Amino acid sequence: KAGVTQTPRYLIKTRGQQVTLSCSPISGHRSVSWYQQTPGQGLQFLFEYFSETQRNKGNFPGRFSGRQFSNSRSEMNVSTLELGDSALYLCASSRGTAGDSRFFGPGTRLTVL
Amino acid sequence: AQTVTQSQPEMSVQEAETVTLSCTYDTSENNYYLFWYKQPPSRQMILVIRQEAYKQQNATENRFSVNFQKAAKSFSLKISDSQLGDTAMYFCAFMKPLGGSNYKLTFGKGTLLTVNP
Repeated sequence: KAGVTQTPRYLIKTRGQQVTLSCSPISGHRSVSWYQQTPGQGLQFLFEYFSETQRNKGNFPGRFSGRQFSNSRSEMNVSTLELGDSALYLCASSRGTAGDSRFFGPGTRLTVL
Repeated sequence: AQTVTQSQPEMSVQEAETVTLSCTYDTSENNYYLFWYKQPPSRQMILVIRQEAYKQQNATENRFSVNFQKAAKSFSLKISDSQLGDTAMYFCAFMKPLGGSNYKLTFGKGTLLTVNP
């Protein structure tokens, strides 16, 4: 069974631009969660989608948004990029049932110049 | 709010030896799950082991085992016969129920483990 895939793997943007990251979960998984990882703040939860609906959200500004499609693939969008948005963005998939383990993708490394 | 604390920012161990990584958490929940994830230099986050809070038996996965002390809210990871490939950042994570099948996963700051030859 293929693992979680994320595209692109690396991205360089400038301040003020917007970016869209993509995550394809493990086949049969219906939940996708997004995390931001930085050296200073560690791993911070952004949001989770299950069956095309956002069911959890972390403490991030509205510039961070996401969506999930009927095939469970998810996209995350960041608008009006700031230097502080430079991070590794990880997505994790799970079946979406109680207490499921999350399986992570390789991440997208975003650099904002 | 629950927190996950990993008190050892860095640790090192000699190849073939045993090392224990510490994790404590704070929660008022009775039903939850605990995890250890490994993130090697490749940055891929890998699930190492999971523990259900309702299970008294400590989880084991080959060379990896946990010491789960529910009353003390402690969840340590023991790595036996350490290998060079175990060099990685290790994250302790806590998953709490939000209702129904909805759970939230929170991570500690991580422990950087270096296995020396």
